[in-house]
Amino acid sequence: DGGITQSPKYLFRKEGQNVTLSCEQNLNHDAMYWYRQDPGQGLRLIYYSQIVNDFQKGDIAEGYSVSREKKESFPLTVTSAQKNPTAFYLCASISSGREAFFGQGTRLTVV
Amino acid sequence: QKEVEQDPGPLSVPEGAIVSLNCTYSNSAFQYFMWYRQYSRKGPELLMYTYSSGNKEDGRFTAQVDKSSKYISLFIRDSQPSDSATYLCAFRNSGNTPLVFGKGTRLSVIA
Repeated sequence: DGGITQSPKYLFRKEGQNVTLSCEQNLNHDAMYWYRQDPGQGLRLIYYSQIVNDFQKGDIAEGYSVSREKKESFPLTVTSAQKNPTAFYLCASISSGREAFFGQGTRLTVV
Repeated sequence: QKEVEQDPGPLSVPEGAIVSLNCTYSNSAFQYFMWYRQYSRKGPELLMYTYSSGNKEDGRFTAQVDKSSKYISLFIRDSQPSDSATYLCAFRNSGNTPLVFGKGTRLSVIA
């Protein structure tokens, strides 16, 4: 079945550690997005990519990095520079001019 | 003025009630209007997608867009306990530009 797969579902990060969240889609969508969701704050855009090998910062990009080497994959790295990384992370993709589809999310917790 | 305003609730209704959820927006460039449903600890799933003023119906759900007033609504008829979730309005300009979300309204339907 076509869809977006995020892994892992739960992730624990120690202080000062970098971690990478995976997002893979087999929908043949050009554009992919990363959002962060905190209680009471809705979804906030971290990074997005409209084409392979190109990406743009969103509203809260500080402390995060991404790559887009393949159309199907858009991994997000949460670096040690991100001081408050505990949140629910959502990956989405959009077919041209249409609605966005989301993965099931990764819950990241700092321990 | 915020780009999107959505009452966070919580909203509690008895089973069988008609539910009305609303969002206002300020960006005249928004061309696409969406409603997503999100269950706890899950990714958002698309409920309704429209790109013009007027009504769109799908089963028990009706989406209404009033571009002149910059106001969108989602109506749920014969609400069920399974409708208990957070409802997010979302907006987008043309092409594959990122979605802009409301903060979500938490709905509880009591049996």
